[in-house]
Amino acid sequence: DIQMTQSPSSLSASVGDRVAITCRASQSISSYLNWYQQKPGNAPKLLIYDASSLQSGVPSRFRGSGSGTDFTLTISSLQPEDFATYFCQQSYKTSQYTFGQGTKLEIK
Amino acid sequence: QVHLVESGGGVVQPGRSLRLSCGASGFTFSTYAMHWVRQAPGQGLEWVAGISYEGSDKYYRDSVKGRFTSSRDNDKNTLWLQMNSLRIEDTAVYYCVREVTDPDYGDRYFDHWGQGTLVTVSS
Repeated sequence: DIQMTQSPSSLSASVGDRVAITCRASQSISSYLNWYQQKPGNAPKLLIYDASSLQSGVPSRFRGSGSGTDFTLTISSLQPEDFATYFCQQSYKTSQYTFGQGTKLEIK
Repeated sequence: QVHLVESGGGVVQPGRSLRLSCGASGFTFSTYAMHWVRQAPGQGLEWVAGISYEGSDKYYRDSVKGRFTSSRDNDKNTLWLQMNSLRIEDTAVYYCVREVTDPDYGDRYFDHWGQGTLVTVSS
């Protein structure tokens, strides 16, 4: 299976900060990488697909980049509603999807 | 408006069975592959099983192969997950998820999720 490793596992930041979360795949996955946001008690929500395509309705302060094995989710100016847990997911091997372990973004 | 509603969760003893259901509405169910993703309490997301739009192709994570079976009825807009020989480590919220394929690049992703149903395996 393709292993997905996110870093950091947790992150403290303030409103207005720019933050970056990284995701590394155990093998090349081209650009088949998606990002999800999950708030406590809620189902995950799709933010970014195909490494850098913004899902409809997602604010433009969210940006995805990368290809191959290394990917980054950047939030340009944190808003209060952005404090959540973020997961990456590889969709290169669709018979065995895998997620990263998650990055919890907390208010400093 | 896409709606996915899971049901069938509950408390069950190890070794017993449970069947989860997912009712779909607001889209043409028969044209989408569907999946189950679970999340153990306080843990991350774990893909469990997937089924093609017509039900002929099915995929499972190794830890549930031979115990879980995914099926669907496109006339009833319903997805099921039959879970047998349940283990304590199967305890989780189970989400029903719709898979979409990007028409430009072929990437696949999960664009709609149900609210989840909690399965607790405990003696």
